[in-house]
Amino acid sequence: QKEVEQNSGPLSVPEGAIASLNCTYSDRGSQSFFWYRQYSGKSPELIMSIYSNGDKEDGRFTAQLNKASQYVSLLIRDSQPSDSATYLCAVKKRPNDYKLSFGAGTTVTVRA
Amino acid sequence: DVKVTQSSRYLVKRTGEKVFLECVQDMDHENMFWYRQDPGLGLRLIYFSYDVKMKEKGDIPEGYSVSREKKERFSLILESASTNQTSMYLCASRQTGTALSYEQYFGPGTRLTVT
Repeated sequence: QKEVEQNSGPLSVPEGAIASLNCTYSDRGSQSFFWYRQYSGKSPELIMSIYSNGDKEDGRFTAQLNKASQYVSLLIRDSQPSDSATYLCAVKKRPNDYKLSFGAGTTVTVRA
Repeated sequence: DVKVTQSSRYLVKRTGEKVFLECVQDMDHENMFWYRQDPGLGLRLIYFSYDVKMKEKGDIPEGYSVSREKKERFSLILESASTNQTSMYLCASRQTGTALSYEQYFGPGTRLTVT
């Protein structure tokens, strides 16, 4: 079982719709969760982090965490063509860990 | 502004060559990382360094070594390049901070092709 698994994608949504990305993780004790966005040919950039169960909103992005189900998701509301990218889910397992475990990523295409 | 730079964007090397990939950060970060990224496999950690001269193996260290003599610079070395090391290599850095926060800043990447 992979440490972090994401929808295989690709995910295609029309402009203005909600894009929903899912991520599950295997280590129940994991502490911190992150979503990175990576445009084609570019390096990843952090867009959201979440540490507690529930929802966290930042502009058009909402991260949702359910530790009991070992599940974290990212919603992109009012999707724009500029949101077309690969989204990487990352998990930090322990407070003293130096490293992150990444999922393989989900590619999102927003159709104009 | 946060900045992580890598020595080359594109590199073509022959099988058996020794290859050096350099990464420099200007943020005085303690932690630095080398990843490779391949389609369908995501980011995989090769090595990381939590401080100067300190290093630890990541998930796929075989065929690689690293050097960190100065805080700002972290080098990845392919002792004898092989075709299965053709990949995108990403360097990242992070400041040791609170237990939960964990932003890693990535460099632009080096696309290495081994022929």
